[in-house]
Amino acid sequence: GDSVTQMEGPVTLSEEAFLTINCTYTATGYPSLFWYVQYPGEGLQLLLKATKADDKGSNKGFEATYRKETTSFHLEKGSVQVSDSAVYFCALSPQGGKLIFGQGTELSVKP
Amino acid sequence: EAGVTQFPSHSVIEKGQTVTLRCDPISGHDNLYWYRRVMGKEIKFLLHFVKESKQDESGMPNNRFLAERTGGTYSTLKVQPAELEDSGVYFCASSQGQRYNSPLHFGNGTRLTVT
Repeated sequence: GDSVTQMEGPVTLSEEAFLTINCTYTATGYPSLFWYVQYPGEGLQLLLKATKADDKGSNKGFEATYRKETTSFHLEKGSVQVSDSAVYFCALSPQGGKLIFGQGTELSVKP
Repeated sequence: EAGVTQFPSHSVIEKGQTVTLRCDPISGHDNLYWYRRVMGKEIKFLLHFVKESKQDESGMPNNRFLAERTGGTYSTLKVQPAELEDSGVYFCASSQGQRYNSPLHFGNGTRLTVT
């Protein structure tokens, strides 16, 4: 069945470091891909999405490109801030279907 | 607009007891979803309501879990009797319109601990 695999955390970075969180997926058809973020004490928020191959989603300095050939949707940010500390979830949605999440990656950014 | 609200935020119960979680979706959202994250693992789908009807309940783990959505407004998820492995964070989400076109709005979750 459809599934999402993302790199294990926790990931600890210094402020202004470059961030990559890897995400790969297995799916039939052409799913939409998402990154959700959960800040401490809050619910899940949609960070960015891409609905077809080669689309790039971006928001708040984060980017991810839908790569069909490598079935990947890696999250990147050029310069992280302390306020980016959160748990990041990669997810896919089959056409007309529910969200399927990865296990989450905890990011901790130190000043 | 008010977001998705979940109650309680935390619940600690003993094995064998009953717990009821509540979710109030965003007003006007026909779609309501329940998800669960157990012990740092992936967030797993439990079920999906469209208004008051269960559209997909393929993720419900067993018959100890009962979800209802009276009148197509708020929803409850009852666990009876609770087992240790039911511990986790239960998320509710809502959306309007067609499922795959509408963004999901999540609540803050209910952290359930079964001792």
